[in-house]
Amino acid sequence: GENVEQHPSTLSVQEGDSAVIKCTYSDSASNYFPWYKQELGKGPQLIIDIRSNVGEKKDQRIAVTLNKTAKHFSLHITETQPEDSAVYFCAAQEGGGADGLTFGKGTHLIIQP
Amino acid sequence: DAGVTQSPTHLIKTRGQHVTLRCSPISGHKSVSWYQQVLGQGPQFIFQYYEKEERGRGNFPDRFSARQFPNYSSELNVNALLLGDSALYLCASSLYVVGAPDTFGSGTRLTIV
Repeated sequence: GENVEQHPSTLSVQEGDSAVIKCTYSDSASNYFPWYKQELGKGPQLIIDIRSNVGEKKDQRIAVTLNKTAKHFSLHITETQPEDSAVYFCAAQEGGGADGLTFGKGTHLIIQP
Repeated sequence: DAGVTQSPTHLIKTRGQHVTLRCSPISGHKSVSWYQQVLGQGPQFIFQYYEKEERGRGNFPDRFSARQFPNYSSELNVNALLLGDSALYLCASSLYVVGAPDTFGSGTRLTIV
């Protein structure tokens, strides 16, 4: 089955700086890669996703890059704000979808004022 | 529009008991998935149902079962509860089996004592 590794487990950045979270996956058949933000007491919220036929996707301050050859993908957040503080999860899904999403262990992003 | 709703929000059970968790998907979503999230970890896939049929199953024992009703709502049942079943149980809905992002509910916090 799929295995997703996520780094770092904790990331502290100054407000206004950029944050980068990296993930690797093991199953070359995976073709869908969403990123979720989870705040305390809430369920994960989709913030951006990318499919295997695309190398990069941007949505305002958030961008995701995908390198299928190396089997890794990254989340980039620019101009970080206090409300960006949360736990971020990457995930991967194989094309058939029968195994659901496989999540990384999460990154606790802390924005220092 | 209402998001994914789960009930109850919190539950305390004793070892050996059984539990039923409920989920109502977003209107129009026909796929429901269940995930278990242990504290400090990413969600782990349990089941996916689409059009009332099981479409995927994760690596969980037979004590875990689920079903989907004609109105697309779903129940997750867990028998013979163990201390290790203590977790946040998340329900997610999507339009399709694959190719559409999952929207998560806020979860049911299950504590086994």
